[in-house]
Amino acid sequence: EDQVTQSPEALRLQEGESSSLNCSYTVSGLRGLFWYRQDPGKGPEFLFTLYSAGEEKEKERLKATLTKKESFLHITAPKPEDSATYLCAVQAKRNVAGANNLFFGTGTRLTVIP
Amino acid sequence: DSGVTQTPKHLITATGQRVTLRCSPRSGDLSVYWYQQSLDQGLQFLIQYYNGEERAKGNILERFSAQQFPDLHSELNLSSLELGDSALYFCASSVGSGTYGYTFGSGTRLTVV
Repeated sequence: EDQVTQSPEALRLQEGESSSLNCSYTVSGLRGLFWYRQDPGKGPEFLFTLYSAGEEKEKERLKATLTKKESFLHITAPKPEDSATYLCAVQAKRNVAGANNLFFGTGTRLTVIP
Repeated sequence: DSGVTQTPKHLITATGQRVTLRCSPRSGDLSVYWYQQSLDQGLQFLIQYYNGEERAKGNILERFSAQQFPDLHSELNLSSLELGDSALYFCASSVGSGTYGYTFGSGTRLTVV
């Protein structure tokens, strides 16, 4: 059974204080690992997809990395506007063609204090 | 605006009632996914349709059903509603396998009283 565990559940950072969020996963054949950002009361917003161990992707102050068991979302010099819940999700290889659903973790709620 | 349209934005109804949530996917996307998000359980996958056909099913209750129409819009029907069904219901769409991510709508907040 697919499993995604995110830690920490909540993180408070001072503006400019870099840190990392962790996503540990168990899946029977990883097709892709996704990171999303979600603001309160809104739909998740796509950030990155990673496909293989060793892959890295960057977007502004965010960098996502992937190993065979976990992914990290590194936040460099965060700003208050980076405050949000960050969700990790896995997409598993399925036998049914076109079955592409994502399995989500419960997220890390990030607060960046000015 | 993500391009995925969900209506209504808010819905308040009584226990035992039936409601229909609607989703119009982003132009060109063939897959539609429904997710339920409650405070204590995060985003739970319900069901996926691809070009009108069901492709994957998650922990969707028997009281819930969905379909995707020829114009690719989708509806999620929730019946015999219980207090525990109160949640945010999100629709997402993708073209094919979602290589470039899934685009989520802004959700329907369902409150069962």
